[in-house]
Amino acid sequence: GEDVEQSLFLSVREGDSSVINCTYTDSSSTYLYWYKQEPGAGLQLLTYIFSNMDMKQDQRLTVLLNKKDKHLSLRIADTQTGDSAIYFCAPRRAGRRALTFGSGTRLQVQP
Amino acid sequence: KAGVTQTPRYLIKTRGQQVTLSCSPISGHRSVSWYQQTPGQGLQFLFEYFSETQRNKGNFPGRFSGRQFSNSRSEMNVSTLELGDSALYLCASSADRANTEAFFGQGTRLTVV
Repeated sequence: GEDVEQSLFLSVREGDSSVINCTYTDSSSTYLYWYKQEPGAGLQLLTYIFSNMDMKQDQRLTVLLNKKDKHLSLRIADTQTGDSAIYFCAPRRAGRRALTFGSGTRLQVQP
Repeated sequence: KAGVTQTPRYLIKTRGQQVTLSCSPISGHRSVSWYQQTPGQGLQFLFEYFSETQRNKGNFPGRFSGRQFSNSRSEMNVSTLELGDSALYLCASSADRANTEAFFGQGTRLTVV
């Protein structure tokens, strides 16, 4: 089955950039998603990238995909305290609806 | 446009009981998926419904079941509850099976005592 690995914790200072990394094993993943979860809340869809793209930018968010190495990253520019949350990487295999989630990266933004 | 609505938000049940959770998708969305989130296992796919039919199922025992109604609302049921079923149950809504975006509700926090 699909394995998705993320580092557990990242701490940055307010105003800095944050980079959250994700590696996955299933090369047939067609869409790769990033979700944000705040304490006590559900998952918020942040952005996603199609597997034939290398990069996608959406305001402060930049997603980079290295399909050869099966590596996905999410860069948050000008990180704010409101960005403190857990971030999940979730690839979706071609022809399947189910998302496979990584363990999540807890981002802590220090003022 | 209202988001995905899950009810109830919190639930406490006793071992051996059964429970039913409800999910109302975004208006016009026809695909509903369910996920279980626990500290130990993380987020795991339970099942997906589209047009009142279960289309995909994750690796969960038969005690976990679901259904979808003609208005796309979905329910999941867990029978003979075990302590390990304590989790946050999340529902995700998509416009249709081909749609790329899945939007999640706030979840139902189930505690089994």
